[in-house]
Amino acid sequence: NAGVTQTPKFQVLKTGQSMTLQCAQDMNHNSMYWYRQDPGMGLRLIYYSASEGTTDKGEVPNGYNVSRLNKREFSLRLESAAPSQTSVYFCASSEVDRGRGYTFGSGTRLTVV
Amino acid sequence: GENVEQHPSTLSVQEGDSAVIKCTYSDSASNYFPWYKQELGKRPQLIIDIRSNVGEKKDQRIAVTLNKTAKHFSLHITETQPEDSAVYFCAPRGNNQGGKLIFGQGTELSVKP
Repeated sequence: NAGVTQTPKFQVLKTGQSMTLQCAQDMNHNSMYWYRQDPGMGLRLIYYSASEGTTDKGEVPNGYNVSRLNKREFSLRLESAAPSQTSVYFCASSEVDRGRGYTFGSGTRLTVV
Repeated sequence: GENVEQHPSTLSVQEGDSAVIKCTYSDSASNYFPWYKQELGKRPQLIIDIRSNVGEKKDQRIAVTLNKTAKHFSLHITETQPEDSAVYFCAPRGNNQGGKLIFGQGTELSVKP
């Protein structure tokens, strides 16, 4: 039982390059989320998926797209990376109906140069 | 949207002392109130949570109290230990689809031996 798995753990991109961050959970949770965390700041919600087949914008969606591939997987895509997207990205999942909190992945440290 | 504020932003205590962190929120429909602990370089982890029909919850040295009328809840840590040193985040959940959490800016707790 791995919980929430994120890949890659580290990535360096050049400005304008694209990439996809992968996230998978094995807890049969309905809801999944992508957050970014910048130094000295809290976690800001980028996008979330309340259930398979649905996605919604969070606080800071600009420059990102997401795909809820199936119940297990929720990916985050940067189409044209910018230095302002340098951050640590966390994926999380939860079972809202059971009233439980989030389980987070270990994070992806992304640097855009 | 939900406005979440934490105070203080930094807190330094001596080992064995108590620590209290307060979180205020704006959404009167909020119904779930968790606290997360994030150690340096690690993922956030849920340490305690409370629901709107309960005023206080305790788990060993940590407790959470809720004042729905005043729209704030607090994290209490007693008999602090050096391993309690971390950043603590509150993340009240409003009455929204998908269970998304809006995180406070965080409180950096330092416990000095």
